[in-house]
Amino acid sequence: SYALTQPPSVSVSPGQTATITCSGDKLGDKYVSWYQQQPGQSPVLVIYEDTKRPSGIPERFSGSNSGSTATLTIRGTPAMDEADYYCQVWDGSVVFGGGTKLTVL
Amino acid sequence: QVQLQESGPGLVKPSETLSLTCAVSGYSISSGSYWGWIRQPPGKGLEWIGISYHSGSTYYNPSLESRVTISLDTSKNHFSLKLTSMTAADTAVYYCARSHYFYYHMDVWGGGTTVTVSS
Repeated sequence: SYALTQPPSVSVSPGQTATITCSGDKLGDKYVSWYQQQPGQSPVLVIYEDTKRPSGIPERFSGSNSGSTATLTIRGTPAMDEADYYCQVWDGSVVFGGGTKLTVL
Repeated sequence: QVQLQESGPGLVKPSETLSLTCAVSGYSISSGSYWGWIRQPPGKGLEWIGISYHSGSTYYNPSLESRVTISLDTSKNHFSLKLTSMTAADTAVYYCARSHYFYYHMDVWGGGTTVTVSS
């Protein structure tokens, strides 16, 4: 079965750029989505089809996908973006990465 | 505005069947989207359960497929999850969500409902 690997944790200083990676075999051949989950809340879609932002998602969120790695980038990271982030693809079924806890400190 | 709301028992006994319903408002489930379920055990990551389309097309997590049924009731504009032979490992927050028809990303989520398996 297909597997997605994310770092368990990433730290960033307020106002700096956060980068969260997601790796998988030939991941660049698939469309990657990213979800943000605040503590005690439902996940929210922040990036889909590698680079697209849903309506209402701030421009500081961006995505890329090439080779075996997809990347979620958050520019000018505010404290409110501290959350868990999950990548996801379709491989005959939905596959989620294990999640990355982003700490803003 | 599309909204999803899960409902069902918060406590299920081991070996019993879990039944959850997701009520959809602001959008017809007969339109061009998949409807599905995702769960999250306490302190862990997201686990996809499956999706269903109004035509009857369904996809399930291979690890749960033998125990899962997702069905749509277009007359009530809601969809349901049945998960048989529940064990403590099935204790989780269960979310319903709308999935894109072709690329399967989930753009609308319910608030989640906590299900505990215990005697």
